[in-house]
Formats: sequence, C-alpha cells, structure tokens
Amino acid sequence: NAGVMQNPRHLVRRRGQEARLRCSPMKGHSHVYWYRQLPEEGLKFMVYLQKENIIDESGMPKERFSAEFPKEGPSILRIQQVVRGDSAAYFCASSPLGTEVYGYTFGSGTRLTVV
Amino acid sequence: KNQVEQSPQSLIILEGKNCTLQCNYTVSPFSNLRWYKQDTGRGPVSLTIMTFSENTKSNGRYTATLDADTKQSSLHITASQLSDSASYICVVRLGGSQGNLIFGKGTKLSVKP
Repeated sequence: NAGVMQNPRHLVRRRGQEARLRCSPMKGHSHVYWYRQLPEEGLKFMVYLQKENIIDESGMPKERFSAEFPKEGPSILRIQQVVRGDSAAYFCASSPLGTEVYGYTFGSGTRLTVV
Repeated sequence: KNQVEQSPQSLIILEGKNCTLQCNYTVSPFSNLRWYKQDTGRGPVSLTIMTFSENTKSNGRYTATLDADTKQSSLHITASQLSDSASYICVVRLGGSQGNLIFGKGTKLSVKP
C-alpha cells in the first residue's frame, strides 16, 4: 500500500498560470480532503470530496480554485491565474469513511511557489 | 471562534530528556482531539486520537492527555530521540456529520545530541 500519493512534490508557476495538483488516495479510501498550509501557519481545510461529489467546499476561495474527484483517476485541485499569495504547501488526506473515525492519512504535500 | 492554540511555539531539548507540549482549544461542538507529528517536508502523521471520554492515551514514548472540562491537552514525550525532531500539531475535530478539523500551528521540537 503506497499510502496517499501527491504529485508533483514541488511546482513552480508564474503569476497568471494554472496550477494542477494531484492526489491519489490510499487503496480502499473513497474520501479525499484538501488542506493548505501557509508558512508558519496551521493547516486550513479547503474541500472534502467523495467520488464524483463535492461534499463540503466551505474552505475553498470563491474564485480561481476548484476541485474534483472523478470516478477514475486522482483527485485534482486546480488553481487558475495563480498569484503570489497562493504559494503554500497543499496537503491531501484520505479516509475510508466520511466520518473519518479512523483518522486521516496525509500525503507528503505539493509545495507551490508562484514567481 | 473555533481555535486551537499551542505552546511553546518552539522547543529545544537534549537527547534523552522528556518534554511536554501544550494545547488549549475553544472548539464547539467537540468531537475528538488528535496529535500529529509532521517532519519537515512531509505530511502529518497521526500519533493519538482521543474522544471526550478519554483522559489519556499512549503510543510508545508519546502520551497524550485530555481535560475536556478545561479544554486542554498535552503531549508528553519520554526519553527523546533525535528522530523526534519535528513539528507536533494539535488538531480538534468539530462535532457533526462533516466534522471539519481545526489545526493548531504546531510546536517545533528540536532534539540535540
């Protein structure tokens, strides 16, 4: 079991470009969560998805950010027209149940740098 | 406002010594509290999860306590090792079906030889 896989590990984008971050959950996990960690800050919830459904996107900025978890393939966090303030570490976590009674398993994150 | 505050912000100890990290929270409704270890450049890894009725939980050299009345938790690390150097994050899960996690900023622990 390879755990939660995120790629790329590091991503550099110029202002105005698009960033696509991928997350493959652990085998058997159908619930995915995205978090953002700004420098010197705690992780902040962004969005919770199940296959083909967005369950809670209360932490997502209203513009430029979107997420999906298709029936096949990884979950994608997409940031359009990136700005310097988007520079952060983006972590994905997965769980076997929506209530995550067993706790999350986190990936190693994607570090986005906007130049 | 739902918040999780941790102290100290950073801590340096010598290898073999014990240390205790603190967490105060103002989260309601409360579901559970967990401690994570986050190595530099890695994702958080769960150490302990405690519900409202649990006062203490151990995982090897890590022992977490929870006082739900005062809304305080601590993480005690015994006989520290160099590999314990990491950020330790206190996380409280909100009650309810969605149950968002509220993360503290973490305590950065450095264990020196």
